This record gives sequence, structure tokens and C-alpha cells, in this order.
Amino acid sequence: AQKITQTQPGMFVQEKEAVTLDCTYDTSDPSYGLFWYKQPSSGEMIFLIYQGSYDQQNATEGRYSLNFQKARKSANLVISASQLGDSAMYFCAMRGWGGSEKLVFGKGTKLTVNP
Amino acid sequence: GAVVSQHPSRVICKSGTSVKIECRSLDFQATTMFWYRQFPKQSLMLMATSNEGSKATYEQGVEKDKFLINHASLTLSTLTVTSAHPEDSSFYICSAIQSYEQYFGPGTRLTVT
Repeated sequence: AQKITQTQPGMFVQEKEAVTLDCTYDTSDPSYGLFWYKQPSSGEMIFLIYQGSYDQQNATEGRYSLNFQKARKSANLVISASQLGDSAMYFCAMRGWGGSEKLVFGKGTKLTVNP
Repeated sequence: GAVVSQHPSRVICKSGTSVKIECRSLDFQATTMFWYRQFPKQSLMLMATSNEGSKATYEQGVEKDKFLINHASLTLSTLTVTSAHPEDSSFYICSAIQSYEQYFGPGTRLTVT
């Protein structure tokens, strides 16, 4: 079984500062993918970034980067230069390859960016 | 990126009635779609995996006779909430996979009065 743990129910950051959202995972699958999604108050799920378990380098997408530490089973999301529009819920998720394609989500972190 | 649509975006129904929610992949074919439910201030919980041309696979604790799923084509999956009750009020989100990415619909907010 797969499990995602997000221990930060809420986080606050000042505009233009960087923030790290924590995510740890547990799986018995040898190959898996890790995802981060943003969910604003409108409810839509916005895909941010993906990290494959065998990727040698940490994924980056614009202001988003994923700090992947495989031995620690962590996949923290780093948002640089926070903007007011970054205020939203952030979900970490994972999917094992080779079996079910379903995504398992963490409980989420509510990020608030202060002006 | 790929687009997934849902219809309706909001629906209010009376207790005891049935409601159908449609999920469409607009520019790609999806043999597998997923249905999630999200209660306020909670995470997304997978309800079922919708497979084109075959029966859906339901997660433990989800009543298959209450939440009917039909994946009739490669671009359409429907979720029917039968005999809806107020406790079924929730945000229902579908998703479809293209390559390794999972694209989500905008969600349907169901309110049962």
C-alpha cells in the first residue's frame, strides 16, 4: 500500500520569500512517481511538478522545484519568490508504476502568502 | 496540456433523487478515468477507477450500487449518484491519464437538500 504524509496543515510565507512544503511517502513499489498539485479556492486541481523515482536530478518547473531525497522517502516542494496568487491548498501525491495507476493523495497543506 | 471537462459544475437536488455527472477528455482518449470525492477542508479520496468497456473498480467502502459508473467511450465516463442523501453532498472530481500526467476536471459540487 502507498501512503503520503503531509505534516503541515498550514503554512505562512511573506511575498517574495521562498517556502518549503513537506511530503514524505511510503511504498513497496520499486518504481513510482511523485506529484504536486495546487488547488485554489475554485476547486480545480492544477498539476505543478512531477518526479520519477529513478530520475537522477530533482525536478524543476519555473518557480517550483522538488527536493527529492529517496533514502529519506521525502519529496518536498519548494516555491521560490512567493506570490499572492500562490495562496492555495497544496497536495502531494504518488502513483506506483506497473500496477494500479491510481493516485494517492496526502492531506494537503494550506499555504497563505502575506503581502 | 490535456483538458478534462465535467458537467455540471454545480447541482442541487432533493434527497432521494439521482444525479448524473459527466467527465470528458476533450483532446485525448482515456481508457482509464478516476472519480474522487472531496469533503470540505479534506483531501481527495479515490472512489473508483473507471475502465472503458468494462466494470469500474471501486475502492473499499464505496457502494457500487449507489455510485454507478459507466465508461461508455474513450472520452466519456459518467458517475450517477443514486437515491442521493444530504451526506452525499460533496465535491466530485474526475481525472484521466495521458502519458504519466493525470489531468483533473474542474469538479462538480453536489448539494443534496
